[in-house]
Amino acid sequence: SQQGEEDPQALSIQEGENATMNCSYKTSINNLQWYRQNSGRGLVHLILIRSNEREKHSGRLRVTLDTSKKSSSLLITASRAADTASYFCATDARSGGGADGLTFGKGTHLIIQP
Amino acid sequence: NAGVMQNPRHLVRRRGQEARLRCSPMKGHSHVYWYRQLPEEGLKFMVYLQKENIIDESGMPKERFSAEFPKEGPSILRIQQVVRGDSAAYFCASSLGTGVFGTEAFFGQGTRLTVV
Repeated sequence: SQQGEEDPQALSIQEGENATMNCSYKTSINNLQWYRQNSGRGLVHLILIRSNEREKHSGRLRVTLDTSKKSSSLLITASRAADTASYFCATDARSGGGADGLTFGKGTHLIIQP
Repeated sequence: NAGVMQNPRHLVRRRGQEARLRCSPMKGHSHVYWYRQLPEEGLKFMVYLQKENIIDESGMPKERFSAEFPKEGPSILRIQQVVRGDSAAYFCASSLGTGVFGTEAFFGQGTRLTVV
């Protein structure tokens, strides 16, 4: 199976609730990134968490990283209809300027019900 | 400062034709990455380029696909003799550098290639 797998594949919640998405990976990483993709649009970078960080916040987003479990979670608090999108985690395993690129999972499709 | 610009946004090609996808990185970025997103799948790394150099093409199919990032002008992903299986969204990303802990990659809107 691939590096960077999101869980669940799809999530539907009511507006105002919190949404939690998880990402697991297999190899050691330098950093992990979360992206959002609205339907028919390009990817938008949300947040990057480095391997020596455990938690990071950005507005209504909270990302955690547990390198011992090789997992990360993305929490969106007080969800809004505009948060409806697909969310991807991407792992960056490059070291010393190496160039494997980012490895993406299949994404979690989040639907916020008004 | 404009973001990563990809064109065209949509491209339709008949089987056997050539597809050329263009990507202009963000100003000041010299690292360009191409990814392919097949329907219902995540993004897959294809190739990493710096100006005039291909650094890593481990994700690129050995035949029919090529990429370049000339000293002047956009990066080009070229697909020769397209087949239906090439239908996908192709995303370009650029970054300022790599570094041990990596840097943010900024993505373009993608080019959606449809082979008919």
